[in-house]
Amino acid sequence: DQQVKQNSPSLSVQEGRISILNCDYTNSMFDYFLWYKKYPAEGPTFLISISSIKDKNEDGRFTVFLNKSAKHLSLHIVPSQPGDSAVYFCAASRGDSSNTGKLIFGQGTTLQVKP
Amino acid sequence: DVKVTQSSRYLVKRTGEKVFLECVQDMDHENMFWYRQDPGLGLRLIYFSYDVKMKEKGDIPEGYSVSREKKERFSLILESASTNQTSMYLCATIIGGGFSGNTIYFGEGSWLTVV
Repeated sequence: DQQVKQNSPSLSVQEGRISILNCDYTNSMFDYFLWYKKYPAEGPTFLISISSIKDKNEDGRFTVFLNKSAKHLSLHIVPSQPGDSAVYFCAASRGDSSNTGKLIFGQGTTLQVKP
Repeated sequence: DVKVTQSSRYLVKRTGEKVFLECVQDMDHENMFWYRQDPGLGLRLIYFSYDVKMKEKGDIPEGYSVSREKKERFSLILESASTNQTSMYLCATIIGGGFSGNTIYFGEGSWLTVV
């Protein structure tokens, strides 16, 4: 049972354009959401997060939007750069595990930004 | 600088062998995790530990065990390796008592091939 789903395995965009990565979740108990970026042969690195009490969080070129009623979040990257090419994972956490850091990850979306 | 070290980056083991994957952190964090990453499945939690000698099963513990004799070291053990355990294994750590995305640290990963 996949509680966090990234239905697009891959995405290709031109440099300078917007990249939009999507994530859906099924568990209404999730109250904290994160995006990680991963290069091959490296561990994931944290990008941006959002609490369920917000609907938007912005950090430089990265913005995460949360639609709780639709159980959907998205990551916008503007403008996209070739160095953004990586696998992006959406992750979620339940309030009752907030003290442990236990995360549920999506399947990942491979972003390719073409020069 | 934060350090999560996975001692073995690339391993090739035979079916039936006992395999040890080691993870060491230098941040005095209470909570440590083992995930595996597989294409199309994302990161899945195998086991986690929130204190020395304490462990809890994650989502896919079958075929694995763990050991945490010291706070800084969390070992993942494959009692009898099988080909379906060929994967990338990621260790993560977090200080206890709540977290935000940038307080979860991942190691660089261990690529295990079972032949």
